[in-house]
Amino acid sequence: GAVVSQHPSRVICKSGTSVKIECRSLDFQATTMFWYRQFPKQSLMLMATSNEGSKATYEQGVEKDKFLINHASLTLSTLTVTSAHPEDSSFYICSARPQGQGASGYTFGSGTRLTVV
Amino acid sequence: QQQVKQSPQSLIVQKGGISIINCAYENTAFDYFPWYQQFPGKGPALLIAIRPDVSEKKEGRFTISFNKSAKQFSLHIMDSQPGDSATYFCAASIWGNTDKLIFGTGTRLQVFP
Repeated sequence: GAVVSQHPSRVICKSGTSVKIECRSLDFQATTMFWYRQFPKQSLMLMATSNEGSKATYEQGVEKDKFLINHASLTLSTLTVTSAHPEDSSFYICSARPQGQGASGYTFGSGTRLTVV
Repeated sequence: QQQVKQSPQSLIVQKGGISIINCAYENTAFDYFPWYQQFPGKGPALLIAIRPDVSEKKEGRFTISFNKSAKQFSLHIMDSQPGDSATYFCAASIWGNTDKLIFGTGTRLQVFP
């Protein structure tokens, strides 16, 4: 089955620094990937839709200059949290689905726990 | 229009019992309704899904019931086991679209031995 790999699984960074999270589709190509944020005991909140070769589409209220998304190839999307602050501490999850597949193809990464100190 | 409402927020069930989680949606364009299971510190994993051409789908101990006229769907976990303890999310989407999944608020299920 389709596998989405996310790296790192955990990261601790100092306030004011930037952190990059990678999301890779291991055995399929994905023109579209999705980035979610999840606070403890809450649902997944879609942050942005990452489109290969073009600009990401951000959800309302998500700062595009703070959460930089790059989808440089059909198998890799990256999320960079710039100038991170403690309030950015959260669980970040990416998702992708193989080209041509319907909604059942959505596969999620295992998530990245970001802690900003 | 884009919301998916989920209840209950938490559920405690005895081993062997039936766990029932309910969801309701508003957008009649939705035609794909999955349930995801998430363990702590992990991403969600697809558990079972249904499309509106059927009213029920069963896979092992997991059953989705779908009521198109009421715009509601539910997950039933039969013979609940401690290993089923997790957070469950319903979601909705438009099948052929590259559009996003709309998630419910989640239900934390605890199954006690």
